[in-house]
Amino acid sequence: GQQVMQIPQYQHVQEGEDFTTYCNSSTTLSNIQWYKQRPGGHPVFLIQLVKSGEVKKQKRLTFQFGEAKKNSSLHITATQTTDVGTYFCAGPDNYGQNFVFGPGTRLSVLP
Amino acid sequence: DGGITQSPKYLFRKEGQNVTLSCEQNLNHDAMYWYRQDPGQGLRLIYYSQIVNDFQKGDIAEGYSVSREKKESFPLTVTSAQKNPTAFYLCASSILPQGTHLGYTQYFGPGTRLTVL
Repeated sequence: GQQVMQIPQYQHVQEGEDFTTYCNSSTTLSNIQWYKQRPGGHPVFLIQLVKSGEVKKQKRLTFQFGEAKKNSSLHITATQTTDVGTYFCAGPDNYGQNFVFGPGTRLSVLP
Repeated sequence: DGGITQSPKYLFRKEGQNVTLSCEQNLNHDAMYWYRQDPGQGLRLIYYSQIVNDFQKGDIAEGYSVSREKKESFPLTVTSAQKNPTAFYLCASSILPQGTHLGYTQYFGPGTRLTVL
């Protein structure tokens, strides 16, 4: 079946360092979404990417969709303690009825 | 949050008891979902519904049941048949998915942490 993988599983950075998480799908995706879940909280939608090679920015966050639409990345520049949480990518399932979530990358930021 | 409420936030039950988790949304969304999240893990789909009085099993439906009698409500019952029910349960809703060409955002509720003693 369709699989969505993310690496790394965990990342510990010093405040001010950059951070990148990678998402890979076993199938081509029509679009991909990114969510953030703060510790003890619930996932919150960050962004959706639709076009091949698309790059979108939200302040210090840069999201990219691969040319083949099978992978994506999230890059955070100069991390802050407010960036702590787990970042999930999600893509439509093969039937277009649900999203398949990746296992997430848990980010810790040391002050 | 975002028009979806789940109650209670924390729930304790004895082993062997059924328990029903509440999920209500006022976003006028057709689709609703239940996910289970274990510590340090991702989201696993339990059930989803795209229309009133209809629902479909997700990846881990065994030991769970749902109903969708109203558009706004999608309660989840964790039955005694669920062998390891202690987990964080998240409800979500979205507009009705339209194939793979149009993305749709899932809005999550605050979740219910269920502990079975």
